[in-house]
Amino acid sequence: DAGITQSPRYKITETGRQVTLMCHQTWSHSYMFWYRQDLGHGLRLIYYSAAADITDKGEVPDGYVVSRSKTENFPLTLESATRSQTSVYFCASSAGQGTGNTIYFGEGSWLTVV
Amino acid sequence: GNSVTQMEGPVTLSEEAFLTINCTYTATGYPSLFWYVQYPGEGLQLLLKATKADDKGSNKGFEATYRKETTSFHLEKGSVQVSDSAVYFCALSWRGGSYIPTFGRGTSLIVHP
Repeated sequence: DAGITQSPRYKITETGRQVTLMCHQTWSHSYMFWYRQDLGHGLRLIYYSAAADITDKGEVPDGYVVSRSKTENFPLTLESATRSQTSVYFCASSAGQGTGNTIYFGEGSWLTVV
Repeated sequence: GNSVTQMEGPVTLSEEAFLTINCTYTATGYPSLFWYVQYPGEGLQLLLKATKADDKGSNKGFEATYRKETTSFHLEKGSVQVSDSAVYFCALSWRGGSYIPTFGRGTSLIVHP
């Protein structure tokens, strides 16, 4: 079972460049999420999606764009990368129904903006 | 809104010591409660969960009981190992309403041999 995969796992980019982080899940989960994790801030929700073509802002959406044309994919784009966007990014998914509503996380994408 | 408060770390223990990581929550309604664990360089993975009051979640020797009266979900383990060194996150998800989870800030656990 492939689960949820992110790519690239590691990326170094320059300030001002556009970067896209990919996320793919094989469970047909309705909900997908993007988080960033920084020391001292824990996990912060960037964007989430309740279904294909439905997306909404989380806690820290500025500077990011998402789309969800297919249920299984949820790419995150940094339109013009800044040093403050250096972080570890986690994609996650959830069925959003039934008991427990477990969230499943990808392995993370380490992004450095220089 | 919903919130989760965890004890700050790091928590440093010797192998075979007893572990408690405190977690309290604020929520409307009846959320499900979770503990996730993050090992170095990896994503978060579910450790255990409880979906209603007085439920006990357990896994790999870890336990937590859903206490509605004290709005708590403390994580315990009777004898920690070096391999338990990780960051632990408490979380809630409001069943029946929003499925957007709320996470605590995480508690780092360091276990020495």
